[in-house]
Amino acid sequence: GAGVSQTPSNKVTEKGKYVELRCDPISGHTALYWYRQSLGQGPEFLIYFQGTGAADDSGLPNDRFFAVRPEGSVSTLKIQRTERGDSAVYLCASSPTGASYNEQFFGPGTRLTVL
Amino acid sequence: AQTVTQSQPEMSVQEAETVTLSCTYDTSENNYYLFWYKQPPSRQMILVIRQEAYKQQNATENRFSVNFQKAAKSFSLKISDSQLGDTAMYFCAFMNPRRGGADGLTFGKGTHLIIQP
Repeated sequence: GAGVSQTPSNKVTEKGKYVELRCDPISGHTALYWYRQSLGQGPEFLIYFQGTGAADDSGLPNDRFFAVRPEGSVSTLKIQRTERGDSAVYLCASSPTGASYNEQFFGPGTRLTVL
Repeated sequence: AQTVTQSQPEMSVQEAETVTLSCTYDTSENNYYLFWYKQPPSRQMILVIRQEAYKQQNATENRFSVNFQKAAKSFSLKISDSQLGDTAMYFCAFMNPRRGGADGLTFGKGTHLIIQP
């Protein structure tokens, strides 16, 4: 079946602009995660959804970052007033449930470049 | 808070050799989950193997096995009979089950493994 998909695969924007990154999880997966991977680093947790609700957004770096998952499936990560430091690969992962032992299935990521 | 440390930024071995990637972690929890993920140039993270801390037996998946030393907080990955397709970044990751899956995975910085023909 289809895996996790993310669009766009690459996004170049100018400092101060607004961007939206989309994640389509595996069908039926209730848990959805966003991570940010800076160059040369491992992914860092941003936010977790169980169904439609953001169960944990403690990883969001500041209030310029916001994520939604209105129908419990597709999620959008929104970044306002982008800064050069936001440049990174943004990874989305889904899991059948939120149970800790479950494998997280990752998408290919969106590479965001802020000029 | 948990931390995961991978002390080998890069490793290179010949095809068919065995290679071990190291990972240590720090936590005050007694029950947790550990994972090794592979990230090829395509960027898509793929689960290699997972270990539950309350299980003493080391996990094995075909050519991949772990050496889990709970007291030492060490979780190394052994790849036997390495293949060219094993070339990738390998990330060690930790999951604290205390709040279900809500905390997400904590990753190390990764080890770039290169398999030479």
